[in-house]
Amino acid sequence: GAGVSQSPSNKVTEKGKDVELRCDPISGHTALYWYRQSLGQGLEFLIYFQGNSAPDKSGLPSDRFSAERTGGSVSTLTIQRTQQEDSAVYLCASSLAPGGQFFGPGTRLTVL
Amino acid sequence: AQKITQTQPGMFVQEKEAVTLDCTYDTSDQSYGLFWYKQPSSGEMIFLIYQGSYDEQNATEGRYSLNFQKARKSANLVISASQLGDSAMYFCAMREVTGGGADGLTFGKGTHLIIQP
Repeated sequence: GAGVSQSPSNKVTEKGKDVELRCDPISGHTALYWYRQSLGQGLEFLIYFQGNSAPDKSGLPSDRFSAERTGGSVSTLTIQRTQQEDSAVYLCASSLAPGGQFFGPGTRLTVL
Repeated sequence: AQKITQTQPGMFVQEKEAVTLDCTYDTSDQSYGLFWYKQPSSGEMIFLIYQGSYDEQNATEGRYSLNFQKARKSANLVISASQLGDSAMYFCAMREVTGGGADGLTFGKGTHLIIQP
């Protein structure tokens, strides 16, 4: 596609449920990144993929968070047993390193 | 210590004036990249400009230029001839290239720019 797409755009879930967020990067971009943006914490880096491998998982806030990428393209971010503090906008970006990372529109996650 | 510092939480500027948004960074890496992003109220993150640490010339993209002062660890964004549509949050970010790989961006807290007619 022309840009990075993410789905769903909004997700409301109950505390304790699992959620899956999807990112479809720009075609041909080998690097893919997940961030989250919240009022209290600003923009935080979560995880980075180069191809299908994730050399940098340092930003994942807990073991409830995991991500995978298949076929060097689509990525899913999974949050298990969601907590209210997980409420945020989850942003995905892709790039042809070096240079700019191009962001998707984000998924707004609300945990009730 | 913060890796990216943006000292201006908010700025009001008259339309058509030039704007400088401050950004200082902290890294011990020799190789790094500096970025500026714009986030309007719609929430999308729009890539504006990139400067590599080894680039000798300041980066420019249309009305945007990056005033890169390596010794001072400063990477200010300059917007010439501001327009009402420039009103948005602006984030400075850095990528530190360690171990041969490209890590995620570290963002500053942002500057909320409001252009007044």
